[in-house]
Amino acid sequence: DIQMTQSPSSLSASVGDRVTITCRASQSISSYLNWYQQKPGKAPKLLIYAASSLQSGVPSRFSGSGSGTDFTLTISSLQPEDFATYYCQQSYSTPVTFGQGTRLEIK
Amino acid sequence: EVQLVESGGGLVQPGRSLRLSCAASGFTFDDYAMHWVRQAPGKGLEWVSGISWNSGSIGYADSVKGRFTISRDNAKNSLYLQMNSLRAEDTALYYCAKDTSVAGTPSFDYWGLGTLVTVSS
Repeated sequence: DIQMTQSPSSLSASVGDRVTITCRASQSISSYLNWYQQKPGKAPKLLIYAASSLQSGVPSRFSGSGSGTDFTLTISSLQPEDFATYYCQQSYSTPVTFGQGTRLEIK
Repeated sequence: EVQLVESGGGLVQPGRSLRLSCAASGFTFDDYAMHWVRQAPGKGLEWVSGISWNSGSIGYADSVKGRFTISRDNAKNSLYLQMNSLRAEDTALYYCAKDTSVAGTPSFDYWGLGTLVTVSS
């Protein structure tokens, strides 16, 4: 199985900050990488698919990059509604696997 | 509007069975693969199983292989998960999730609210 490792596991930031979350795959997954946002008590929401494509309706302050084994999710200017947990997910092979999550908290 | 509504969760003893259902609406159900993803209390996301549009391709996580069976009824716009030989570690919120494609490289663009399964004596 492909292991997905996110860093950091948690992060404190302020409104307006630029934030980057990293995801590393245990083997090359090309660009088969998705990012999700989950708020407490809610279902996950797809933000980025295929490493860098913005899902419809997602604000443009979210962006994704990377290929192979190393990927990043960047939020250009944090808004109050962005404080949540973020997960990466590889769709290169079955079983689908997720990173352990990055909890983004208000500083 | 896409809606996914899970049902069938509850408290069950170890070793017993449970069948989850997911009723889909707002999209052409048989145009998309579907999946079950679970989340144990306070933990991260774990993909459980997925099924292609025509049930021709099915996959399971190693943790449930041989115990869980996914199926779908396109005439009823419904997805199912038969869970047998349940264990305490199967305790989780089970989400039904819509794939962005018919099969292949799964990404999940719509999720239900989940149904809670608790395995305990």
